[in-house]
Amino acid sequence: GAGVSQSPSNKVTEKGKDVELRCDPISGHTALYWYRQSLGQGLEFLIYFQGNSAPDKSGLPSDRFSAERTGGSVSTLTIQRTQQEDSAVYLCASSLAGGGAFHEQFFGPGTRLTVL
Amino acid sequence: DQQVKQNSPSLSVQEGRISILNCDYTNSMFDYFLWYKKYPAEGPTFLISISSIKDKNEDGRFTVFLNKSAKHLSLHIVPSQPGDSAVYFCAASGETSYDKVIFGPGTSLSVIP
Repeated sequence: GAGVSQSPSNKVTEKGKDVELRCDPISGHTALYWYRQSLGQGLEFLIYFQGNSAPDKSGLPSDRFSAERTGGSVSTLTIQRTQQEDSAVYLCASSLAGGGAFHEQFFGPGTRLTVL
Repeated sequence: DQQVKQNSPSLSVQEGRISILNCDYTNSMFDYFLWYKKYPAEGPTFLISISSIKDKNEDGRFTVFLNKSAKHLSLHIVPSQPGDSAVYFCAASGETSYDKVIFGPGTSLSVIP
């Protein structure tokens, strides 16, 4: 398939553990975004990558959250010392270029994270 | 502070009738507006967009109307079909390619056969 893929699809972890979420964007898409959707809430922006650099990290909720992107492709979102309030669906999206609305974002299916 | 608001969390419409989903925004710098549709257990998919230089954009059964002075946009679906049942997110962005997209909380539409 040529779409955005995310792994794992579901992750259950214990409070205090670290988790890594992976996103494989569409080949050739230079822009990559991470969002979070908590229960009953909208899509909360976390971080945006243009190539391997992150011009906008303003949405990361705390220093327990970090993300990297290598080779202008795969990205990992890491949450250290998870808390129960981190439970949410984490969505990744990619677009051809740019960070605004000029290029349609294609979303992956998400990773549902549950912190016990 | 929510910059993009969708005040109706849910909406039910009879098949064949018009669905109207509303969205309000607070940031006058927003220049580009989008609607995304999301089915359960799937990521959102782009539906339709409108630039601030227009007040209407139509694509098949879907039409988006923009009223910049009121900072309000709406999505009309005519006629509504059961397959349209999904969560609809309104989103907005500034005009530069480095502006991030701000999403609203979503409206869950149910189209009743």
